[in-house]
Amino acid sequence: EVQLVESGGGLVQPGRSLRLSCTASGFTFGDYAMSWVRQAPGKGLEWVGIIRRKGYGGTIEYAAAVKGRFTISRDDSKSIAYLQMNSLKIEDTAVYYCTRDMAYGSGSYGRMDVWGQGTTVTVSS
Amino acid sequence: DIVMTQSPDSLAVSLGERATINCKSSQSVFYSSNNYNYLAWYQQKPGQPPKLLIFWASTRESGVPDRFSGSGSGTDFTLTISSLQAEDVAVYYCQQYYSVPTFGQGTKVEIK
Repeated sequence: EVQLVESGGGLVQPGRSLRLSCTASGFTFGDYAMSWVRQAPGKGLEWVGIIRRKGYGGTIEYAAAVKGRFTISRDDSKSIAYLQMNSLKIEDTAVYYCTRDMAYGSGSYGRMDVWGQGTTVTVSS
Repeated sequence: DIVMTQSPDSLAVSLGERATINCKSSQSVFYSSNNYNYLAWYQQKPGQPPKLLIFWASTRESGVPDRFSGSGSGTDFTLTISSLQAEDVAVYYCQQYYSVPTFGQGTKVEIK
């Protein structure tokens, strides 16, 4: 069964850091790009960033709202994607979803065909 | 960034009736070199993650019932549920992946 499981969420104070993990199973992790999408309480979906497969250069891009504060990485040997979140703000409070992204090519984006259940990040003092 | 605008924000439809959701992009998401519209539709039920329904504007994801269909090109797109079922109550989002991905604000579908 194709599956993504996020972990690492929790309550954190503004300005602190948190690292989310996304563990994949049921597919060849290294063959796919991975994206992170977040959803603030009662709000819509917001793309956070993408890390493409190494075959397409492993390039990484971020939404403007998180650029310079968040870092996406991947460990293909462990089938895990990470989202390192630094200098957290109250407005970063959201459910964070890891997704499998069907992006083809070094500069492209794709549909997100597999989603994890999400992990909740609450930034509050 | 491309702005995606859905209409309506919510709609109530009787069981068995047609539901239509519109999505408009602020610029074309059609890529002429491959004739694809870089547009997807997702369904999100309460307490669940989104689920991919449609990609390339009109291609149904595997396992998605054929009462769901997508149409449109360029900047104007539509998701149609031909005969609404109780399990279709959800929020539906369009998303473009032509450039930095953006989502519509969502359309809540309820039973009348």
